Amino acid sequence: SYVLTQPPSVSVAPGQTARVTCGGNNIGSKSVHWYQQKPGQAPVLVLYDDSDRPSGIPERFSGSNSGNTATLIIIRVEAGDEADYSCQVWDSSSHQWVFGGGTNLAVL
Amino acid sequence: QVQLVQSGAEVKKPGASVKVSCKASGYLFTGYYMHWVRQAPGQGLQWMGWINANTGVTNYPQKFQGRVTMTRDTSINTIYMDLRRLAFDDMAIYYCVRGRHRGATDAFDIWGQGTLVSVSS
Repeated sequence: SYVLTQPPSVSVAPGQTARVTCGGNNIGSKSVHWYQQKPGQAPVLVLYDDSDRPSGIPERFSGSNSGNTATLIIIRVEAGDEADYSCQVWDSSSHQWVFGGGTNLAVL
Repeated sequence: QVQLVQSGAEVKKPGASVKVSCKASGYLFTGYYMHWVRQAPGQGLQWMGWINANTGVTNYPQKFQGRVTMTRDTSINTIYMDLRRLAFDDMAIYYCVRGRHRGATDAFDIWGQGTLVSVSS
């Protein structure tokens, strides 16, 4: 089945830019969705279809997707952005949703 | 407002079954697909399947086929997830989730608060 690979952790200083990657075979041909999950809370959709933001998500969040890597980009990182971020795709071959293992974003 | 409210925490013995409910409000219940996603302690998210809230048609990944059943009651805007033959590694938080408006393969935009299912002998 399809596998999504994320780094376990990413660290960034406040005000800098964070990049969280999600690797998968030819992931550029799929729509990638991103979720933010803070401790003790349910996940929240922050990007859908690679780079679209749901209502209420700051413009600081953006995304890209090409080749074998999708990337969640957060500019001007704030302490409140500290969370786990998970990517997701629909695998049409196996007819199932697949999640990456999640990346913990630490704001130093 | 749009929300999903799930039933409370459960403690079960190995081999038992658990049924978790999820009541939707604030939107047209029958207009969306609903999913169940679980998260074991310290682990990532795992999709368990979907149900079309209008037709009741379901789709489960192979990992859960034969062990999970998803149903809905349109009279009370509620979906249910029944997981049988529980094992220790089924201990997790179970989330009900709404898919966006484009159907079963659209992103998940509304999440329930989660239901902790503990498995203990």
